[in-house]
Amino acid sequence: NAGVTQTPKFRVLKTGQSMTLLCAQDMNHEYMYWYRQDPGMGLRLIHYSVGEGTTAKGEVPDGYNVSRLKKQNFLLGLESAAPSQTSVYFCASSPTGGDKNIQYFGAGTRLSVL
Amino acid sequence: SQQGEEDPQALSIQEGENATMNCSYKTSINNLQWYRQNSGRGLVHLILIRSNEREKHSGRLRVTLDTSKKSSSLLITASRAADTASYFCATLNAGNNRKLIWGLGTSLAVNP
Repeated sequence: NAGVTQTPKFRVLKTGQSMTLLCAQDMNHEYMYWYRQDPGMGLRLIHYSVGEGTTAKGEVPDGYNVSRLKKQNFLLGLESAAPSQTSVYFCASSPTGGDKNIQYFGAGTRLSVL
Repeated sequence: SQQGEEDPQALSIQEGENATMNCSYKTSINNLQWYRQNSGRGLVHLILIRSNEREKHSGRLRVTLDTSKKSSSLLITASRAADTASYFCATLNAGNNRKLIWGLGTSLAVNP
C-alpha cells in the first residue's frame, strides 16, 4: 500500500542549481498535483495534471516546470533554483474530479536553496 | 488564492475536551473537505461534506456546513494527544472539479 511516494525526502541546493522532484502513485489516479507549503501561507498549487500527457498551471507556477509522461508519475522541475523556492513540496493525486476530488498526499520533500 | 479561512489559527486544549475549529469560504461550493496534517507529514483526508448536506459524522468527528453563511465547523470530541496536528479545510468550488481551494489551517495541541 505505497500510495503516493515522493523522492527525495530532503534536498539542499545552491542558488542556480537544478533538480527534479519525483512523485509516483500506484492507485491509478487520473489527477495529480504539486503544492508548496510555506509557514503562514497554507498550501499553494504549483501545477497539476488531469491525465497522462497533460499539465496545467496552478496558482504559483513561475520557476517550475512539470511533466506527466506516464500516468503514475508526475515530475516537478526547478531549472534554476532560487532561495524563494525554499519550501516543503507536496504531491497529491485524486481518482477523478467529479464531485469529490479527494486528494491523497505524499510525505513531502523539504527543499532548501542556499 | 486562498478561499478558506480557519478560525482559530491555534487551539490548545486538555485531553478529553472537545475541540472546535471553523472554516469560512467565499464562493459557491460543490463540497467541503477537512484534512489533518501531523508534524512533518503529508495531509490526510478526514471527512467530506457535500453542499446539500448539513451535518456529517465519522467516529469522533462531526462536521457541519452552513451554505447560507458560507461556513463549516469541525468538532473533535473527547480529544486525545494523538489528535495534535494541523487541520485544514478545502473547498471544491461549484463548476470546477479539478482543484481544491485550501485554507491556512488550525494548529491543534492536545495536552495530556
